[in-house]
Amino acid sequence: DQQVKQNSPSLSVQEGRISILNCDYTNSMFDYFLWYKKYPAEGPTFLISISSIKDKNEDGRFTVFLNKSAKHLSLHIVPSQPGDSAVYFCAARPNTGGFKTIFGAGTRLFVKA
Amino acid sequence: DTGVSQDPRHKITKRGQNVTFRCDPISEHNRLYWYRQTLGQGPEFLTYFQNEAQLEKSRLLSDRFSAERPKGSFSTLEIQRTEQGDSAMYLCASSSGTAASPLHFGNGTRLTVT
Repeated sequence: DQQVKQNSPSLSVQEGRISILNCDYTNSMFDYFLWYKKYPAEGPTFLISISSIKDKNEDGRFTVFLNKSAKHLSLHIVPSQPGDSAVYFCAARPNTGGFKTIFGAGTRLFVKA
Repeated sequence: DTGVSQDPRHKITKRGQNVTFRCDPISEHNRLYWYRQTLGQGPEFLTYFQNEAQLEKSRLLSDRFSAERPKGSFSTLEIQRTEQGDSAMYLCASSSGTAASPLHFGNGTRLTVT
């Protein structure tokens, strides 16, 4: 069962424009949501997170929005840069037990110069 | 912070052989996780340790897989009698164990079973 879903396998955006990556989840026990970025031949690296008690968190060019009623979150990148081209994973974890993090299948972002 | 280190980076083995991977976490992190990633998928949870105790194992982890974390430092993941379906990227991650602390991943070990 896919508890975290990223329905867009890829996204192409022009440099300088906004990139919006979407994610849906099904488990109401998830309490913390994270985005990771992955370049080829490297492990995923943490990008930004949001607690379930918030609806927005911003860090520089990256903003994550959470809509708990819709069980939906999104990552906005403004302005997009060619170096942002990577695979982005949405992830979620409950606030119990081992904080086991569940990942989506990823969205490959292409930022064209 | 020297990051999470995994060894080897690549492993090619014949079906039926045993393989062992090593992970050295960030030294101050008490939690260590193993994940597996196949092409087009996100990382899938396999198991995790808090210090030296293995606290959870995924049902994905068959009895051919075993993981250890002696003395709560580095960890090893062993796969016995490898099968072609075991071919994947094996990722290790560590964290400080609070709800807000993210996972820090190593660069993974890519296993190819021929």
